[in-house]
Amino acid sequence: DVKVTQSSRYLVKRTGEKVFLECVQDMDHENMFWYRQDPGLGLRLIYFSYDVKMKEKGDIPEGYSVSREKKERFSLILESASTNQTSMYLCASSLWPGEEQYFGPGTRLTVT
Amino acid sequence: KNQVEQSPQSLIILEGKNCTLQCNYTVSPFSNLRWYKQDTGRGPVSLTIMTFSENTKSNGRYTATLDADTKQSSLHITASQLSDSASYICVVLPGGSYIPTFGRGTSLIVHP
Repeated sequence: DVKVTQSSRYLVKRTGEKVFLECVQDMDHENMFWYRQDPGLGLRLIYFSYDVKMKEKGDIPEGYSVSREKKERFSLILESASTNQTSMYLCASSLWPGEEQYFGPGTRLTVT
Repeated sequence: KNQVEQSPQSLIILEGKNCTLQCNYTVSPFSNLRWYKQDTGRGPVSLTIMTFSENTKSNGRYTATLDADTKQSSLHITASQLSDSASYICVVLPGGSYIPTFGRGTSLIVHP
């Protein structure tokens, strides 16, 4: 079974803090994705990576950056957290482009 | 712009009843369409994938249909169970793209 794990289920941070969200997959997948999910808006792509050290902006990259030093690990970084970044963050991976994406359980981030 | 619209936004049914969820898309060119199920507090999980040449595909009590001419898909749930309570997300992959377009989901509640 593919397993995608995220470092925290719940996280509370203060405005201006630097926040790291970690994602690890154990199936040697090439592609990894970060989404945020908000009520009524569905999933929106923040960044994706199709290879180690390769990354591409998604639909809403502003305020975020990513790091992929190893194939199995994809990190989302909020350089200076703001209240409008309070959301559910979901990580996903897939073997090939367009293949089924396997999602982690999500991290619910609250910025106060 | 590629879009995926789902209806209804939410649905409440009694256990044992059938229901049908709708997905209309404007994505072009088309590669495939997936239905995902997302339980509360969890990441989405793929239920089924439809390619251009497929009209109907079943996965247990879930049956997906695709009309590529009218760009519509439906997900029919037979003999609903309490465990079917979840959000159902329609996801369309454009041809030649890594990045799928997500619908906002239909929230289904099954009451005993």
